[in-house]
Order: sequence, then C-alpha cells, then structure tokens
Amino acid sequence: DTAVSQTPKYLVTQMGNDKSIKCEQNLGHDTMYWYKQDSKKFLKIMFSYNNKELIINETVPNRFSPKSPDKAHLNLHINSLELGDSAVYFCASSHGGETQYFGPGTRLLVL
Amino acid sequence: QKEVEQDPGPLSVPEGAIVSLNCTYSNSAFQYFMWYRQYSRKGPELLMYTYSSGNKEDGRFTAQVDKSSKYISLFIRDSQPSDSATYLCAMITGGGADGLTFGKGTHLIIQP
Repeated sequence: DTAVSQTPKYLVTQMGNDKSIKCEQNLGHDTMYWYKQDSKKFLKIMFSYNNKELIINETVPNRFSPKSPDKAHLNLHINSLELGDSAVYFCASSHGGETQYFGPGTRLLVL
Repeated sequence: QKEVEQDPGPLSVPEGAIVSLNCTYSNSAFQYFMWYRQYSRKGPELLMYTYSSGNKEDGRFTAQVDKSSKYISLFIRDSQPSDSATYLCAMITGGGADGLTFGKGTHLIIQP
C-alpha cells in the first residue's frame, strides 16, 4: 500500500538517449510534483501538475517534459540525456499544496 | 543570499541528548514550514508541519517558527541512533501547486 511509488528505482543510460520515469500516487491527491536532488543533496522543484495542468516550470530545460495521463500519475520524459542530468529524481504529491509526500526516488546515471 | 540557509553538519551527538536543528530564510512570504527526514538512499519523509509562527510538538519532536526573525528550529528529545539521518527544512508561500523551497539539509549522527 505504498503511497507514492516510482519506477524504475535505478536508471543507467548513455548520453543522448531518451528515457522516462513513472510516478503513481494512491493518496487521492490533486497535485503532483517532480523534484531533482543533485550530487550535493540539494532538492529543487522542477514541475508540478494540478488537475492535469502544468503549474510550475522552474527554468528546467525543455528536454524535460512531464506528462500526466490522470490525477494519480505523473511521468517524466527526458530527451537527449546529458551528463549533468545525473541525479536523483523524486516524485511527490499533495492535497492543498503544503504537506507534500515523496516517493522513494529514481537514481539516474548518465554515462 | 540563498533563500533558505541550513548548516550541512555533520552534527554528532551522544544518544539521549537533545538535538537542535535550525534554518534561516530570507523570503518573508513563506507561511508554511516543514521538516523532512531523509535516510540514505531513501525519499524525504515528512516529520513536522507548522503554519506561521509558533510551536508544534509531536512525540519527541518539537518544531518552532519565529517569523519575525525568519528562523525555524526542530528539537529532538531523547535522541536515538535511529534518528541518524539528514534533516531538511522546507517552506512554501501558500497553498496550491507551489513547490517547496528546501534547505540543503543537516546530516545528524547519534552516537550509541
């Protein structure tokens, strides 16, 4: 009965490839987010989706595109991967915005 | 000046001690303040949530917010080795779909 789940847990790929990370929440929340945690452990918001509409895009390259097929899912597509994209990506969800619950993370390594 | 400042540590204390973790911030529009605990290679886990100024207690944990000083604290009483983790402060201006603004986290080590 995991609240926020992500797949895959680990992702190793070559530069230039395109990859996707999936996120699902079973909390009935109306807003989902993607965060990036860099090598120095700093967490930063990338996107949020509220009722299937993109609300925030924090200067993220357009190689990154969130896709939400429904309120319970928010996937992250990354095109033309670069070395600097290596990080841990966390999905989160909330109802109302303040209390956000995080998934276990996806460790992306670009070689 | 970063929006949220947090000493990265590490902070090492003996088991049973009272731990004090702190963050300062610059954006006076922040209204909601959270503390997350993150174990190594895990996702952040919400510990405490406070609206505006004041104190909130939950078991061994107490969160304090002083908006006049732009300073928030987390106190852990009777610290346990299982409390060893990175503690992240986070804040947000209001409801809706805003993203949280995080501190860089304090690495806490509780020595048995």
